[in-house]
Amino acid sequence: DIQMTQSASSVSASVGDRVTITCRASLGISSWLAWYQQKPGKAPKLLIYVASRLQSGVSSRFSGSGSGTDFTLTISSLQPEDFATYYCQQANSFPLTFGGGTKVEIK
Amino acid sequence: QVQLQESGPGLVKPSETLSLTCTVSGGSINNYHWSWIRQPPGAGLEYIGYIYYSGSTNYNPSLKSRVTISVDTSKNHFSLKLSFVTAADTAVYYCARLNWNDYRGLDYWGQGTLVTVSS
Repeated sequence: DIQMTQSASSVSASVGDRVTITCRASLGISSWLAWYQQKPGKAPKLLIYVASRLQSGVSSRFSGSGSGTDFTLTISSLQPEDFATYYCQQANSFPLTFGGGTKVEIK
Repeated sequence: QVQLQESGPGLVKPSETLSLTCTVSGGSINNYHWSWIRQPPGAGLEYIGYIYYSGSTNYNPSLKSRVTISVDTSKNHFSLKLSFVTAADTAVYYCARLNWNDYRGLDYWGQGTLVTVSS
């Protein structure tokens, strides 16, 4: 299985901050990476697919980058509704695997 | 707008079989992959498996010996069975559409259902 590592389990930030969340794959996965946002008690929501493509309806303050083994999700200007947990997920091979999650908390 | 809804018992006894159904509305189950994902309380996400509308399946090797996913296209739903459950199977279970052909993302999710394994 491909292991996905999000090195930061939490990040503290303020409204308006630029936030960067990183994800590393144990093997090269080309650009087959997705990012999800999950709020408490809710299902995850797809934000980014194929590493950098914005899902329809998702705010343009979210962006993704990377390929191979190292990936980044950036929130350009943090808004109150962005406080949540973010997960990366590799889609290069089965079984699909997720990172452990990074919780964006209010500073 | 595609919507998914999980249904099934919220409490299952140890060693018994967990059974859940996901009903898809607002779109056809045809031509897509449909998956099950679970999340233990306070923990991360785990892929259980998928079924293609035609019936082909893929299961997480960690659960493969206990998992069966089936589909009923006439009812626009698919189902999960997990046998010989233990407390470690207590989790919120989500069904989701896996848009593999277009971009390999889980683009529609059910709200999730908590299944507790306890006697």
